[in-house]
Amino acid sequence: DAMVIQNPRYQVTQFGKPVTLSCSQTLNHNVMYWYQQKSSQAPKLLFHYYDKDFNNEADTPDNFQSRRPNTSFCFLDIRSPGLGDAAMYLCATSRGSGGRTDTQYFGPGTRLTVL
Amino acid sequence: GENVEQHPSTLSVQEGDSAVIKCTYSDSASNYFPWYKQELGKGPQLIIDIRSNVGEKKDQRIAVTLNKTAKHFSLHITETQPEDSAVYFCAAHSRKGNKLVFGAGTILRVKS
Repeated sequence: DAMVIQNPRYQVTQFGKPVTLSCSQTLNHNVMYWYQQKSSQAPKLLFHYYDKDFNNEADTPDNFQSRRPNTSFCFLDIRSPGLGDAAMYLCATSRGSGGRTDTQYFGPGTRLTVL
Repeated sequence: GENVEQHPSTLSVQEGDSAVIKCTYSDSASNYFPWYKQELGKGPQLIIDIRSNVGEKKDQRIAVTLNKTAKHFSLHITETQPEDSAVYFCAAHSRKGNKLVFGAGTILRVKS
């Protein structure tokens, strides 16, 4: 029944060591989003893909990159994680049908720890 | 850009009582307002949403009201249960940037 799947659920990495987080979806939605959520804060949008079109938020650090090889999968790459990048990373999807604003469905998140 | 303010930041109620969480938004062009429930260690789950052409929507114990003139919307939970305890986020869809803007969240505690 899981519609938005994130792996792994918990990730530990070392300071400066590249890490990749994975998201997949069974909804066949056109849009996939990556959010960062720090403790006791609201989710913060990093970027999103509309099909293959990448849309970066103006304040997303260059350290964060994303790839979407096909409709179902999207990856978040953190090239050189710092201690400040420890957070919950949330993937979300929406239909992207145009015109009518779409509901976003979130995955369970990946908790990233940076040592 | 769009700004969403959410109050209160924490709310404690007795089981069976009602809970109300309020949000205001700044962009009069915003047209979609979802509410998410987030339990500890989990992703946000959509519980109800409302679009700008509707003033109220209800789903069992949960209701949302929207006042476009005043630019505020509210979540109402009746007959609260301990499993309603979570963090609740409101959001507004901003046409500027075409994205959801979230409120800061409300920690709801239902005491049994």
